[in-house]
Amino acid sequence: AQSVTQPDIHITVSEGASLELRCNYSYGATPYLFWYVQSPGQGLQLLLKYFSGDTLVQGIKGFEAEFKRSQSSFNLRKPSVHWSDAAEYFCAVGDDYKLSFGAGTTVTVRA
Amino acid sequence: DAGVIQSPRHEVTEMGQEVTLRCKPISGHDYLFWYRQTMMRGLELLIYFNNNVPIDDSGMPEDRFSAKMPNASFSTLKIQPSEPRDSAVYFCASSSGTAYNEQFFGPGTRLTVL
Repeated sequence: AQSVTQPDIHITVSEGASLELRCNYSYGATPYLFWYVQSPGQGLQLLLKYFSGDTLVQGIKGFEAEFKRSQSSFNLRKPSVHWSDAAEYFCAVGDDYKLSFGAGTTVTVRA
Repeated sequence: DAGVIQSPRHEVTEMGQEVTLRCKPISGHDYLFWYRQTMMRGLELLIYFNNNVPIDDSGMPEDRFSAKMPNASFSTLKIQPSEPRDSAVYFCASSSGTAYNEQFFGPGTRLTVL
């Protein structure tokens, strides 16, 4: 069965600094991979997705992620964090129409 | 488009009562998903529908939970009887087309069972 591990429960980053969130997946075939963001009290919003092709994927809000098959990873990055990026971030792997989510990483942005 | 609509946004009930959560998917979407989010278990897929037909309900925790989709614009998730361990945020999401298309999430219903 597919699964996702997000090793970091909580990350604190200064505004303007770079951010990288880790995601490792377990899946037998070529995975569909997603990053979602959840702001407090809100539903989840898709940041970006990967299913084939270029391993560097660009998303909304200045985020990007890189798929590395050899490391079974799909890490999310942003070069310069804004205070509004404080939220919880979820990596997910798709198996047909079913998404399996990681436990999430909470990002705190300090001024 | 108004996005996925869920009601109520908050529900507080007592153990043993019936709870009904409602969802209106985005018009034109043919897939509808129900998720549950808790601190202990994270985000779990409970059930999903395609063209109003339940496809996979393997995530439904037990017989106290049931879900229906009587038409393309409405779905319900019912818990009867409710228990304190059902306290969670329940999300509805919808999507269309292929498996790698975006699932659009509603704002969620925060359920508290006392």
